[in-house]
Amino acid sequence: GQNIDQPTEMTATEGAIVQINCTYQTSGFNGLFWYQQHAGEAPTFLSYNVLDGLEEKGRFSSFLSRSKGYSYLLLKELQMKDSASYLCASMDSNYQLIWGAGTKLIIKP
Amino acid sequence: GAVVSQHPSRVICKSGTSVKIECRSLDFQATTMFWYRQFPKQSLMLMATSNEGSKATYEQGVEKDKFLINHASLTLSTLTVTSAHPEDSSFYICSAHGLSGNQPQHFGDGTRLSIL
Repeated sequence: GQNIDQPTEMTATEGAIVQINCTYQTSGFNGLFWYQQHAGEAPTFLSYNVLDGLEEKGRFSSFLSRSKGYSYLLLKELQMKDSASYLCASMDSNYQLIWGAGTKLIIKP
Repeated sequence: GAVVSQHPSRVICKSGTSVKIECRSLDFQATTMFWYRQFPKQSLMLMATSNEGSKATYEQGVEKDKFLINHASLTLSTLTVTSAHPEDSSFYICSAHGLSGNQPQHFGDGTRLSIL
C-alpha cells in the first residue's frame, strides 16, 4: 500500500535548527514535496526532490534518499513565523500526490 | 511564480443551499486540478482529480452527485456542493499543476464553507 509517515508534532527554540523526517512507500516515485501550512491557510510549496541528495534554499533544505524511502526538511535559524504544519508528499507513478498527515512545528522563544 | 485563484474565500449559508467554488490558474495552463477537503487539525484529503475536458475522477467515499466538478477550460475548474448540510462544513482547497506532471501543485487560498 501507499504510506507516508512523519512525526505529529515537534517543538524547537527560536534561532535553533530542526529536522523533520518523512518516510514514504508509494506505487512508483516521481519526487518528494514539502509544503508549509499555517493554521487556516492553504499549503505553500517549499521544496521538491527527485534525485538523492540535499537541496538548499535559504534557511530551508530538503534531503532525499530514494533507496531508503526517506526525506527530511531542515529549518535553520528558526523564527517564530516558522510555527506551522509541514506536509510531506510523495508523487506516485500516476503523478498523484500522496500526503502525510503533517508535522506541527511549535517554535518557542 | 504560478498563481491559483480560488473564490469565494468564505461562505456561510443555510442547509440545503448549493454552493459553487471556482478555481482559476492565472498564469499557466492547468491540465489537472485537484480538489481537497481539510477538516480542523487534519491533513488534506483528496476528493477528486479533474482533467480538462473529461469527467473528474473521484476518490473512494466521495459522492460525485453531491460534489459536482466541472473543468471546462485549461484555466478554470469549479466544485459545486449540492444541497449542502452542516456535515459538509469544511475547508475546501483546490490546486493545479501545469503540463508537466512532476511539477509542484500550486494551491488556491481555500474556501471555508460553513453550513448552518
